[in-house]
Amino acid sequence: AQSVTQPDIHITVSEGASLELRCNYSYGATPYLFWYVQSPGQGLQLLLKYFSGDTLVQGIKGFEAEFKRSQSSFNLRKPSVHWSDAAEYFCAVGGPESASKIIFGSGTRLSIRP
Amino acid sequence: GAGVSQSPSNKVTEKGKDVELRCDPISGHTALYWYRQRLGQGLEFLIYFQGNSAPDKSGLPSDRFSAERTGESVSTLTIQRTQQEDSAVYLCASSQRSGNTIYFGEGSWLTVV
Repeated sequence: AQSVTQPDIHITVSEGASLELRCNYSYGATPYLFWYVQSPGQGLQLLLKYFSGDTLVQGIKGFEAEFKRSQSSFNLRKPSVHWSDAAEYFCAVGGPESASKIIFGSGTRLSIRP
Repeated sequence: GAGVSQSPSNKVTEKGKDVELRCDPISGHTALYWYRQRLGQGLEFLIYFQGNSAPDKSGLPSDRFSAERTGESVSTLTIQRTQQEDSAVYLCASSQRSGNTIYFGEGSWLTVV
């Protein structure tokens, strides 16, 4: 069965510091992988996605993520965080099969230290 | 439509009453999802519709929950005999096809008192 694990419930980083949010997935075939962000009181916005090809994908707001099949991971990174990046981040996994649904992790809350 | 539309945006109901939540997906999107997000929690998968295939109901928490979708259009999520633990935001999302990028509605905030 497909699943997503985000091991860090809450992370605090200083403004300007680098960020890495962890995501591990379980999926029986080639996965489709996503990162979404949910700012306080806002809806869910897609940051980036991986379907195939280059394993390093670029997204909006300066975020990137790297698909590592051998580690079943899809970690999200940003070289320098801004106070506006404070939000909840969700990793999700799906697949190309018609029966494949998209399952989300439990999320990581990011706080920014001034 | 331009985006996924959900109604009502807010609903307060008494324990034991039935509620119906509506989702109008993006036009042309064959896949439709319902998720539940309790306060401060992650997204809990409820049900998935893909075209004319039988829906994946594996996430529905109890037989009080049901959902329908007419063709590739509007879907309704019905919660019977609501309980306080049903209080949550119910999020609908759609995508052009299975597994592809999903686009979320603003959600329906349900409070059971």
